[in-house]
Amino acid sequence: GAGVSQSPRYKVAKRGQDVALRCDPISGHVSLFWYQQALGQGPEFLTYFQNEAQLDKSGLPSDRFFAERPEGSVSTLKIQRTQQEDSAVYLCASSFPLAEQYFGPGTRLTVT
Amino acid sequence: QKEVEQDPGPLSVPEGAIVSLNCTYSNSAFQYFMWYRQYSRKGPELLMYTYSSGNKEDGRFTAQVDKSSKYISLFIRDSQPSDSATYLCAMKSGNEKLTFGTGTRLTIIP
Repeated sequence: GAGVSQSPRYKVAKRGQDVALRCDPISGHVSLFWYQQALGQGPEFLTYFQNEAQLDKSGLPSDRFFAERPEGSVSTLKIQRTQQEDSAVYLCASSFPLAEQYFGPGTRLTVT
Repeated sequence: QKEVEQDPGPLSVPEGAIVSLNCTYSNSAFQYFMWYRQYSRKGPELLMYTYSSGNKEDGRFTAQVDKSSKYISLFIRDSQPSDSATYLCAMKSGNEKLTFGTGTRLTIIP
């Protein structure tokens, strides 16, 4: 594919619902990243995969957040029991190791 | 105090002007410096990627890094209305995760 794709583009969830956000990285990119961008702020790192291995999850805000990349390509970010403070844009990026990161369009999550 | 500081603006300049955007940082371990452009409701788009201190030019864009002052800049020459966007500085050390500034919202007035 031409770039990183994410789905859904928009998600509205009621407080307490579980959500799953999908990321399709650029073909061949080994590294995959998730970032959270609050309104009016820069993206903040959540977690990072190299192939299927999750090498850094230091940015996940709580144990309600979980990410996986079981086959080393597509990744899913899952948020359990969503809270209002989880409302943000969730960005996925991919890259070759130690190279520039290319971002997808993001998923805008609104928790009501 | 945030590791990366960036004036959020907003910044408005007339078309054709030179735009100067900048960030300061506190973590001396940062080695790689990037500038991203983000249009409304889109993902960040990489503009410039630099490693060492000094200048890097690409078309109308020049990135400048001063590691001794922990200060980076992006200059846009001959600014166009299509340059209106939020500009994010980002940096990383030897690991992979990026640390971003808040972003500066720029408007070019025709």
